[in-house]
Amino acid sequence: AQSVTQPDIHITVSEGASLELRCNYSYGATPYLFWYVQSPGQGLQLLLKYFSGDTLVQGIKGFEAEFKRSQSSFNLRKPSVHWSDAAEYFCAVEIKAAGNKLTFGGGTRVLVKP
Amino acid sequence: NAGVMQNPRHLVRRRGQEARLRCSPMKGHSHVYWYRQLPEEGLKFMVYLQKENIIDESGMPKERFSAEFPKEGPSILRIQQVVRGDSAAYFCASSRAGQTSSYEQYFGPGTRLTVT
Repeated sequence: AQSVTQPDIHITVSEGASLELRCNYSYGATPYLFWYVQSPGQGLQLLLKYFSGDTLVQGIKGFEAEFKRSQSSFNLRKPSVHWSDAAEYFCAVEIKAAGNKLTFGGGTRVLVKP
Repeated sequence: NAGVMQNPRHLVRRRGQEARLRCSPMKGHSHVYWYRQLPEEGLKFMVYLQKENIIDESGMPKERFSAEFPKEGPSILRIQQVVRGDSAAYFCASSRAGQTSSYEQYFGPGTRLTVT
């Protein structure tokens, strides 16, 4: 079955430390890939996207993600975390053959220690 | 440039009542998507619409739920005879997407529905 997996439900990181959030997908073709962030009680904000081309994509707020076709992964990274990065992060995929709908991973909640 | 707007932000309904959730897409966007976020579950696609057309409703429950996006006005997600299990956050997203190309979806702040 097609799926998006975020293996880590919670991650705790110290302020100033690096952060990496994992995302794996299970689809036959290369999907379009997205990372969104959701602060408590808020909507989702798009951090970055991958459609094609350079496999390392830069996003807002200092985030970047790398698409690795061989590993079916699209991991999100930030070199130095700020307290304001505490939120829930969702990886999402879109398969054109299945229409424009997004399929989301279960999310990773990031806690930032001072 | 105003983002995706949803109202109300919070909605409380008693069991058996109707809930109407509204979504105005970003300026220049003609495609609207509805997603539901249930407690302890992820975000799930419900329906994809463009003006006066339902493109994909594969995620919509078969009964009590309907959606429209009229030529004029916001998109409406309607839930009839609500039950406690309908309590969730409902998010609307919009995009410039055509069906043969892809653009990112921008999300609204959501409507949090509570059924008592």
